[in-house]
Amino acid sequence: IQMTQSPSSLSASPGDRVTITCRSSQTIEKSLNWYLQRPGRAPSLLIYAATNTQSGVSPRFRGSGSGTDFTLTISGLQIEDFGTYYCQQAYSGPPTFGLGTRVETK
Amino acid sequence: EAQLVESGGGVVRPGGSLRLSCAASGFIFGDSGMSWVRQVPGKGLEWVAGINWNGGSKGYVESVKGRFTISRDNAEKSLHLQMNSLKAEDTALYYCVKGTSSNWFEHWGQGALVTVSS
Repeated sequence: IQMTQSPSSLSASPGDRVTITCRSSQTIEKSLNWYLQRPGRAPSLLIYAATNTQSGVSPRFRGSGSGTDFTLTISGLQIEDFGTYYCQQAYSGPPTFGLGTRVETK
Repeated sequence: EAQLVESGGGVVRPGGSLRLSCAASGFIFGDSGMSWVRQVPGKGLEWVAGINWNGGSKGYVESVKGRFTISRDNAEKSLHLQMNSLKAEDTALYYCVKGTSSNWFEHWGQGALVTVSS
């Protein structure tokens, strides 16, 4: 299953609302996870099963969608939110990731 | 707090072998499916292999089948990846991850760098 993220990069300022989309090549129901990789760090889980916020993650991160189209929304971007965001499907076959969305400072 | 610490990375010639290990702590390792995920520096993420809680079920990405073997030792709380017949395209940072192909990757180690070069 191929995962397509858009945009591939974006520039934003602290306080902005940011939306990242992820589309799968076939339906994956709600088996979609989101990760943030800060520069020089390992990825960290933000959202699992499309809409569930991981324990310890700020509620400003919100996941939505099902089927083939998914969205990650960040409400009120913080300095620590800059980095690369990845979506990942866990529906079938080998888990696959999107190519990432790099969120940079405007 | 869950912690995963990889070891065993290094430089190896094409065709060579390397064994990665991961020491787990801070969670019930014996109840947890585990995986290896790799990342070419500056590039995206690729799931490499996964193993269920008791080692009875294993899975691999197509490109490493027959060359890599994932294993675990629940008594030692450790995960391993035996990598044989290494190729230049296996060069990457290898992350030890709590989670399997059917759910999500909840905790990540800091990674072990594997460089395959002559």
